[in-house]
Amino acid sequence: GENVEQHPSTLSVQEGDSAVIKCTYSDSASNYFPWYKQELGKGPQLIIDIRSNVGEKKDQRIAVTLNKTAKHFSLHITETQPEDSAVYFCAASNDYKLSFGAGTTVTVRA
Amino acid sequence: ETGVTQSPTHLIKTRGQQVTLRCSSQSGHNTVSWYQQALGQGPQFIFQYYREEENGRGNFPPRFSGLQFPNYSSELNVNALELDDSALYLCASSGLAGAGELFFGEGSRLTVL
Repeated sequence: GENVEQHPSTLSVQEGDSAVIKCTYSDSASNYFPWYKQELGKGPQLIIDIRSNVGEKKDQRIAVTLNKTAKHFSLHITETQPEDSAVYFCAASNDYKLSFGAGTTVTVRA
Repeated sequence: ETGVTQSPTHLIKTRGQQVTLRCSSQSGHNTVSWYQQALGQGPQFIFQYYREEENGRGNFPPRFSGLQFPNYSSELNVNALELDDSALYLCASSGLAGAGELFFGEGSRLTVL
């Protein structure tokens, strides 16, 4: 089955700086790569996703890149703000299920 | 707000008991997936229901079972509860059965003593 590894497990950044989270996946058939943000006591919320026919996607301060050859994808958050503090999960899928990484706890210091 | 509602939000059971968790999907969505999220980990896929049929299952034992109703709401049943079943159970709905955007509910926090 699919195995998704996510790094780092924790990330502390100064407000206004950038944050980068990296994930690798094992199944070359995976073709859908979403990123979720989970705040304390809430369910995961989709923040951006990318499909395998696209190398990069951007939505305001958030961008995702995908390298199919190396089987890794990354989340980039620019100009971080205190409300960006949360746990972020990457995931990969080629069918009906998502395989999630273990999560990255992002703390934005004011 | 995703429009996916789950109940109950919290519950405590003892080992060996049975539990039923409920989920109402977002309006217009005909697919419901269930995930288990242990503390400090990413969600793990349990199963998916599409138009009242199980559409796929993860690596969970048969004591985890589910149902989907004609209105696309769903139930997750867990029999013979074990301590390791303590987790946040997440329901997610989507408008298609394949890989695509999932809308998660807030989850049901189960504690097994």
